[in-house]
Amino acid sequence: GESVGLHLPTLSVQEGDNSIINCAYSNSASDYFIWYKQESGKGPQFIIDIRSNMDKRQGQRVTVLLNKTVKHLSLQIAATQPGDSAVYFCAESPNSGYSTLTFGKGTMLLVSP
Amino acid sequence: ETGVTQTPRHLVMGMTNKKSLKCEQHLGHNAMYWYKQSAKKPLELMFVYSLEERVENNSVPSRFSPECPNSSHLFLHLHTLQPEDSALYLCASSQVLVSGGTYEQYFGPGTRLTVT
Repeated sequence: GESVGLHLPTLSVQEGDNSIINCAYSNSASDYFIWYKQESGKGPQFIIDIRSNMDKRQGQRVTVLLNKTVKHLSLQIAATQPGDSAVYFCAESPNSGYSTLTFGKGTMLLVSP
Repeated sequence: ETGVTQTPRHLVMGMTNKKSLKCEQHLGHNAMYWYKQSAKKPLELMFVYSLEERVENNSVPSRFSPECPNSSHLFLHLHTLQPEDSALYLCASSQVLVSGGTYEQYFGPGTRLTVT
């Protein structure tokens, strides 16, 4: 999984480019995965989720890919816009009645015009 | 109001003070959560209430005391905090099915707490 460190990984892209944000998870029992976006001064906002019986799920301009073999999750954002600039978190959870999400450290996405 | 609301948005308190954070969800959910978000650390789950019962308490110091009077309201009572408790405290809610199943959590905007 993502280790706790001093520096937030940063991805800088140009407006209109496609962005790929990666996340490694450590718990092979995790059944549910979710991506959140957090803008400055706001709480995390749900983007997209995926369950372990799928390897790909698409939303509006976003796609989540799950590779359970290597315990890897990615978020693809098509035609990235300046409004997409934020910190993106992945989270994992075993399938339980209430979701005990374990969050990664996050990746900062910077989109320049 | 819609979604998950939190008050106050900012709070400065001394180490000897007692204060409470409030969270309210307007989504009809039956589970609520408290998280702590510190700089340079992942979100840390503190407490979970599911169907108004506390089901998780992640080794949180006793100076943090949660209260869930009903499925729409959640409080975090604070007393004799330490400067290292300064952080963004986030509340979230989700829907839990009795038959099981995990669904996304919806977060409030957080309370920025500074302990002096």
